[in-house]
Amino acid sequence: EAQVTQNPRYLITVTGKKLTVTCSQNMNHEYMSWYRQDPGLGLRQIYYSMNVEVTDKGDVPEGYKVSRKEKRNFPLILESPSPNQTSLYFCASQTGTGAYEQYFGPGTRLTVT
Amino acid sequence: GESVGLHLPTLSVQEGDNSIINCAYSNSASDYFIWYKQESGKGPQFIIDIRSNMDKRQGQRVTVLLNKTVKHLSLQIAATQPGDSAVYFCAETGGFKTIFGAGTRLFVKA
Repeated sequence: EAQVTQNPRYLITVTGKKLTVTCSQNMNHEYMSWYRQDPGLGLRQIYYSMNVEVTDKGDVPEGYKVSRKEKRNFPLILESPSPNQTSLYFCASQTGTGAYEQYFGPGTRLTVT
Repeated sequence: GESVGLHLPTLSVQEGDNSIINCAYSNSASDYFIWYKQESGKGPQFIIDIRSNMDKRQGQRVTVLLNKTVKHLSLQIAATQPGDSAVYFCAETGGFKTIFGAGTRLFVKA
């Protein structure tokens, strides 16, 4: 089944404790992206990647890092989480070859205390 | 399920009626527009898209209209069903960088 998976689905952590949210897609898509979703704000793009080893900032990159060492994986790293990073996070992928439809993962609910 | 839009604009329609959801986009240089549907506890799901050189595109029970003059996008759902209840987002993109609208919650009354 074609899908985007994220882990963990729920995470409660404390300020300053480094964490990684994993994202994997099995569709051989070139393009992947991370979004955060906050009430009333829609989805805001954090980082995106056009292909392996190629990443760029979205609208809200501060406090986040990403890496793209393999085509299928695109982890989101919070080196020193803060309470304002409490949010619902989505990973997405798209083919990157002229088709702009994105396939989203199920989301990761992160709470930073 | 997850509560992702506590203060969203809301549209309430009777089952069987047509729904129209509107969106104002911001970047006149965007060349691709997409509508997504998000059900409670799930990620957004693609509904329909339209390129900037088009005014209208139809899918199964859905139609998207694009008015570039006033930077306005709309999604029309024909014969709305209870399963259409969700939050709907418009998105604009030039390829990689994507901007989403705040969303509209659709309630379908049986």
